Amino acid sequence: AIQMTQSPSSLSASVGDRVTITCRASQGIRNDLGWYQQKPGKAPKLLIYAASSLQSGVPSRFSGSGSGTDFTLTISSLQPEDFATYYCLQDYNYPFTFGPGTKVDIK
Amino acid sequence: EVQLVESGGGLVQPGRSLRLSCAASGFTFDDYAMHWVRQAPGKGLEWVSGISWNSGSIGYADSVKGRFTISRDNAKNSLYLQMNSLRAEDTALYYCAKARTPYGGDAFDIWGQGTMVTVSS
Repeated sequence: AIQMTQSPSSLSASVGDRVTITCRASQGIRNDLGWYQQKPGKAPKLLIYAASSLQSGVPSRFSGSGSGTDFTLTISSLQPEDFATYYCLQDYNYPFTFGPGTKVDIK
Repeated sequence: EVQLVESGGGLVQPGRSLRLSCAASGFTFDDYAMHWVRQAPGKGLEWVSGISWNSGSIGYADSVKGRFTISRDNAKNSLYLQMNSLRAEDTALYYCAKARTPYGGDAFDIWGQGTMVTVSS
């Protein structure tokens, strides 16, 4: 199975900060990667699909990049509602695998 | 309104079985692949299983392969997960999720609110 790693595992940031989260796959997955946001007690929410495509309704401060094995989620200007845990998911082949998550909290 | 509603969770003893259901509404169910994702208390997300629109392509996590079976009934707009030989480590909130396309390989754009499964004696 493809292993997914994320870094950092957690970070503290302030409103307005630029935040970058990285995800690495143990083998090439083309651009078959999505990013999800999860808030406590809530279901995950799709932010980015196909590595860099913004899901409908998601604010443009979220962006994704990468291909192959290395991927990045960037929040250009962190807003109060962005404090959450972020997960990447490879949907290249079965079994799909999530990264371990990155918790973004308030500095 | 596009909606996924899971049901069937509960407390079950180790070694027993449970069947989860997911009722879909607000979209053409048989146009999309569907998946199950779980989250143990205080832990991260774990993909469990996925099924294509016509049940022609199915996948499982290694942790559940041989014990869990995914299926769908397009006439009933429903997704199922038959869970046998349950273990304590299967304790989790189980989410149903809709893929963006008919086949397995794409992101999950709609999620249910989950149904809790607790495996304990």
